[in-house]
Amino acid sequence: DAGVIQSPRHEVTEMGQEVTLRCKPISGHNSLFWYRQTMMRGLELLIYFNNNVPIDDSGMPEDRFSAKMPNASFSTLKIQPSEPRDSAVYFCASSFAGTEKLFFGSGTQLSVL
Amino acid sequence: SQQGEEDPQALSIQEGENATMNCSYKTSINNLQWYRQNSGRGLVHLILIRSNEREKHSGRLRVTLDTSKKSSSLLITASRAADTASYFCALPPSGTYKYIFGTGTRLKVLA
Repeated sequence: DAGVIQSPRHEVTEMGQEVTLRCKPISGHNSLFWYRQTMMRGLELLIYFNNNVPIDDSGMPEDRFSAKMPNASFSTLKIQPSEPRDSAVYFCASSFAGTEKLFFGSGTQLSVL
Repeated sequence: SQQGEEDPQALSIQEGENATMNCSYKTSINNLQWYRQNSGRGLVHLILIRSNEREKHSGRLRVTLDTSKKSSSLLITASRAADTASYFCALPPSGTYKYIFGTGTRLKVLA
């Protein structure tokens, strides 16, 4: 299995632009998580899905952030408009409920100038 | 906070020595997990210990859990330079899959 696949690996954009991060979970996994990692705040859980349904989005910082999971093999995290304080590494992780073990992608390094 | 708190924040040891890091938490849990993150990479699952277990081993890793003290420790024996990484505990509060990660311990193993 290729593991959790995230794209792009790096994203540099200007303040005010829309940013879309993509994630393909491991086939067969039914839970998907979006995390954000910064030096100041560590790893923050933004949102997680179970069977494509958002279960908890309390970690989404504000309305500029939105996440979707239209099917079991794809999820997006969108930031519109982006701001410099959104600069971070964004990780996607998936798991199969019952195994309780998360598999992480390699992350997207986002820089908002 | 549901977040686990690791200590120390940073640890530097010589190759061959043992490394111990700790995780304390506040909520009730079903299990506690440890992950490793190499620089610039995603996290990798190391070991899971359930709330009814007190100790678990995996290769050079030994994890203990004390639910009465709400704490866990990760011991890496005979450390190697390749063990240099950040180590995180993760705990989903009982009844959820909402995995919250601690602040991490940065381990540096000197060759």
